[in-house]
Amino acid sequence: DAGVIQSPRHEVTEMGQEVTLRCKPISGHNSLFWYRQTMMRGLELLIYFNNNVPIDDSGMPEDRFSAKMPNASFSTLKIQPSEPRDSAVYFCASSLTVAWDQPQHFGDGTRLSIL
Amino acid sequence: DQQVKQNSPSLSVQEGRISILNCDYTNSMFDYFLWYKKYPAEGPTFLISISSIKDKNEDGRFTVFLNKSAKHLSLHIVPSQPGDSAVYFCAASALSGNTGKLIFGQGTTLQVKP
Repeated sequence: DAGVIQSPRHEVTEMGQEVTLRCKPISGHNSLFWYRQTMMRGLELLIYFNNNVPIDDSGMPEDRFSAKMPNASFSTLKIQPSEPRDSAVYFCASSLTVAWDQPQHFGDGTRLSIL
Repeated sequence: DQQVKQNSPSLSVQEGRISILNCDYTNSMFDYFLWYKKYPAEGPTFLISISSIKDKNEDGRFTVFLNKSAKHLSLHIVPSQPGDSAVYFCAASALSGNTGKLIFGQGTTLQVKP
């Protein structure tokens, strides 16, 4: 049974470039979450979707960040333009519903380095 | 302002002994708590949870205790095994609030020595 799949696993790019992170949630899961993990702030929620609709994007740090979920099996997190302080591990997670007592299933993350 | 705190960045225990990981929270609206385990280069995986209507939940070697008056929860692993070596995150949610999103602690790295 496939889990949450994220790509790429690693991304190294220069400041100012556009970065696109991809996520395929577990089939049948209706909720999708994007998290960012840094040494300073730990694991923080950026945005989440329910039935492909963004519900809460209050964790998105700046307008340079955007996320889409065009269908139930795919989501992207885009950073444009990227900055060195965006360097972090980005996780995607999915769950059956948006109920917060439902365990979230995480992908293995994308390690992003902005030079 | 960190609402969920794991004050011990690391913990080392001997195989077979008990591991106790601690977590404190400040928001009295939190009513659901979870523990996640994370191995290097992998995403966090759900371990165990507890609702604020309980003070204990047990699943095999893992037990979570909740002390609401102290705003404190702990995860006990008995007996500890080398495969338990990982980073452990506690997370909290206010299910009854308008936004129940998970707030994670900074994590505690557990090392279980053979």
